[in-house]
Amino acid sequence: DAKTTQPTSMDCAEGRAANLPCNHSTISGNEYVYWYRQIHSQGPQYIIHGLKNNETNEMASLIITEDRKSSTLILPHATLRDTAVYYCIVSPNDYKLSFGAGTTVTVRA
Amino acid sequence: NAGVTQTPKFQVLKTGQSMTLQCAQDMNHNSMYWYRQDPGMGLRLIYYSASEGTTDKGEVPNGYNVSRLNKREFSLRLESAAPSQTSVYFCASSEVASGTYEQYFGPGTRLTVT
Repeated sequence: DAKTTQPTSMDCAEGRAANLPCNHSTISGNEYVYWYRQIHSQGPQYIIHGLKNNETNEMASLIITEDRKSSTLILPHATLRDTAVYYCIVSPNDYKLSFGAGTTVTVRA
Repeated sequence: NAGVTQTPKFQVLKTGQSMTLQCAQDMNHNSMYWYRQDPGMGLRLIYYSASEGTTDKGEVPNGYNVSRLNKREFSLRLESAAPSQTSVYFCASSEVASGTYEQYFGPGTRLTVT
């Protein structure tokens, strides 16, 4: 059973914020929310992770709802180089990240 | 730092041939991983090594063996390649930081079995 649900694809305009939703209604209390992205043919790249609080780094912001059943990754100013497949993953502190199909994000000029 | 390196980048094998995919990391990470990615799919974990001297099966270990040669190197061996093993293989490494596991990935090895 998939632990996360993401839209298959989404478009956004260059320079605008991209908001990527993820549902994880069965998340356990010890599970983190991770976001990775994979630019065409390359290895996945870590973006951000969080447990309960909202997080921000130089790449993105992660907003986790209070009940932790969903989250949103925000790319504040999308560029063409942000076109990629974005994976939302929930995992406890172990070694097994499970990558689903992700969301294909296309940034358009 | 090169990060995670993988060799070869591309390989074509005939059914029944064997080969070893090599992976090395220079970040002094304890944990290393092998994934496969089939066309249009997400990554699936084949094997992982939590620390030097240990290896464990992931989601799809059948048909593969691994060796954690030392802290830097983690190899994946296909003893008798099958067309179903045509895939892109990614190696990754990670280190515990603040209790979580951020994985760093290599560029991948594209394997075709005919």
